[in-house]
Amino acid sequence: EDKVVQSPLSLVVHEGDTVTLNCSYEVTNFRSLLWYKQEKKAPTFLFMLTSSGIEKKSGRLSSILDKKELFSILNITATQTGDSAVYLCAVAGSFFGNEKLTFGTGTRLTIIP
Amino acid sequence: GAGVSQSPRYKVAKRGQDVALRCDPISGHVSLFWYQQALGQGPEFLTYFQNEAQLDKSGLPSDRFFAERPEGSVSTLKIQRTQQEDSAVYLCASSLGAASSGNTIYFGEGSWLTVV
Repeated sequence: EDKVVQSPLSLVVHEGDTVTLNCSYEVTNFRSLLWYKQEKKAPTFLFMLTSSGIEKKSGRLSSILDKKELFSILNITATQTGDSAVYLCAVAGSFFGNEKLTFGTGTRLTIIP
Repeated sequence: GAGVSQSPRYKVAKRGQDVALRCDPISGHVSLFWYQQALGQGPEFLTYFQNEAQLDKSGLPSDRFFAERPEGSVSTLKIQRTQQEDSAVYLCASSLGAASSGNTIYFGEGSWLTVV
């Protein structure tokens, strides 16, 4: 059974700090790892990672995947109050017909002004 | 439409009542998913449609849960004889093609179900 573990479960930092969120996984026939941001509404897509060692970047957010050690990190630099949300990590397996994502429980990030 | 639309946004049901939750995916999206998200947890997969075909229903927790997408567009998730443990947010998502082909999955804002 596919499994995703995120840490920490919650994190409180001051505006301007840099944070690193962790995601480790076990999945049969890995296809991709995805990061989503969830405020009190729909999860919104951040990144999809398929290859080890290639950093994906979008503004102050970046993410990288290590397929050997089975983990990914999400970095947020110069945090702002608008970054406060739950960050979800999910993995997808690659066998035929398997379209589902397996999610972790998320990391709740709170940015204090 | 601009995004995945779900209705009702909030539903309070008495235990034993049947409920129906509706999802309008993004226009033209072939793939449609239902997920269940309990408080403080990540979303858990329920079922997947490709057009009108339900290709995976392995996540449906019991035979009280039923989903359909008869014309390959709008989908309905029905829960019969609701129980308190059914209380959760039900998220619908869609993607242009198969997610396994690298298509981004877009989520709706969810239907918040509370069973009392």
